[in-house]
Amino acid sequence: DIVMTQTPLSSPVTLGQPASISCRSSQSLVHSDGNTYLSWLQQRPGQPPRLLIYKISNRFSGVPDRFSGSGAGTDFTLKISRVEAEDVGVYYCMQATQFPWTFGQGTKVEIK
Amino acid sequence: QVQLQESGPGLVKPSETLSLTCTVSGGSISSYYWSWIRQPAGKGLEWIGRIYTSGSTNYNPSLKSRVTMSVDTSKNQFSLKLSSVTAADTAVYYCARESSPRGLGYWGQGTLVTVSS
Repeated sequence: DIVMTQTPLSSPVTLGQPASISCRSSQSLVHSDGNTYLSWLQQRPGQPPRLLIYKISNRFSGVPDRFSGSGAGTDFTLKISRVEAEDVGVYYCMQATQFPWTFGQGTKVEIK
Repeated sequence: QVQLQESGPGLVKPSETLSLTCTVSGGSISSYYWSWIRQPAGKGLEWIGRIYTSGSTNYNPSLKSRVTMSVDTSKNQFSLKLSSVTAADTAVYYCARESSPRGLGYWGQGTLVTVSS
């Protein structure tokens, strides 16, 4: 299985300040079709996960543009340009390049 | 707007079979991949597997011997069966639909299944 490792596991952030989460995979996530199936999900307290970003950098419908994704190969980053109160929650990276699909451990974003 | 809703028993006895159904509304179940994901309390996410509306499946090898997924297009539903459950299978179970190639864009609210005698 591909192991997804996120850092940090906890990220206290000041409102209005940026936040960044890293995700590293144990092997390249480039699929044989040329795509890289790395996505980011947000899980607010008591809610199901919500897709933010798919294929490294594509924002899903309705996702604010303060969320952005980048990276390639085995190293990926989710950035929040200016953290808002509603961004509190746990963020997961997920790889869907190889079965079984796997998730990172999660990064808890909280307000200082 | 497509909506997904999980349903099934909230309590299952050890060694028995967990059975859940996901009902899709606001859109057709056809021509999409549908996944099951679970999350033990306070822990991370585990992908269980997915099914296409043709019946083609991909299962997590860690659960493959115990998992069966099926789809009923006439009812706009798909289902999960997990046999020989133990306490380790206690979790919130989510159903989800791919919205883009291999991106899980639509999720149900989740249903808690507890395995206990």
